[in-house]
Amino acid sequence: DTAVSQTPKYLVTQMGNDKSIKCEQNLGHDTMYWYKQDSKKFLKIMFSYNNKELIINETVPNRFSPKSPDKAHLNLHINSLELGDSAVYFCASSLGQGVDGYTFGSGTRLTVV
Amino acid sequence: KNEVEQSPQNLTAQEGEFITINCSYSVGISALHWLQQHPGGGIVSLFMLSSGKKKHGRLIATINIQEKHSSLHITASHPRDSAVYICAQNYGGSQGNLIFGKGTKLSVKP
Repeated sequence: DTAVSQTPKYLVTQMGNDKSIKCEQNLGHDTMYWYKQDSKKFLKIMFSYNNKELIINETVPNRFSPKSPDKAHLNLHINSLELGDSAVYFCASSLGQGVDGYTFGSGTRLTVV
Repeated sequence: KNEVEQSPQNLTAQEGEFITINCSYSVGISALHWLQQHPGGGIVSLFMLSSGKKKHGRLIATINIQEKHSSLHITASHPRDSAVYICAQNYGGSQGNLIFGKGTKLSVKP
């Protein structure tokens, strides 16, 4: 019973393509996040959704768009992929604003060629 | 500017040694998190602290709010403890954001 599951685990695609990464949590959490881990292993927040409303939108390109059909899902859509988008993307969830801790997915390694 | 600084960046220890990883942050927080990232890439939440000290098995985390400093200790280290340990601070309020340190790569040799 995976708590936060991401698909796919690996994604290799060409520049200019559009791709999506899916995330689902079965913990009953009401806030979900997307984080990006760059080649230097540094993690940074991209988005979070609370009750289907975007509450954080860091300075990421508008080619990236989060989509949340319900509070158990937060998908990440990326348009016109660029080489610099290559990274590991982690989904996470929490109850409320995260003061009770976070649960992470296993990550999606995106490689743009 | 909100910053989270960790030290050391890399740490090599012999099995059985006592290990300390340090984390300093620049602004007030609602909670401080310690995370573990294994070589396979998955991230596990180890501790969440807002004050004092927490212990889980051989791992101990402490925080000093006045000094804006936290430490993660591992007693009787083991090769399976080899991982990247990441400190992160949570702002709470309307953000629920995590700001991460750059991680400490720990390697425990048998």
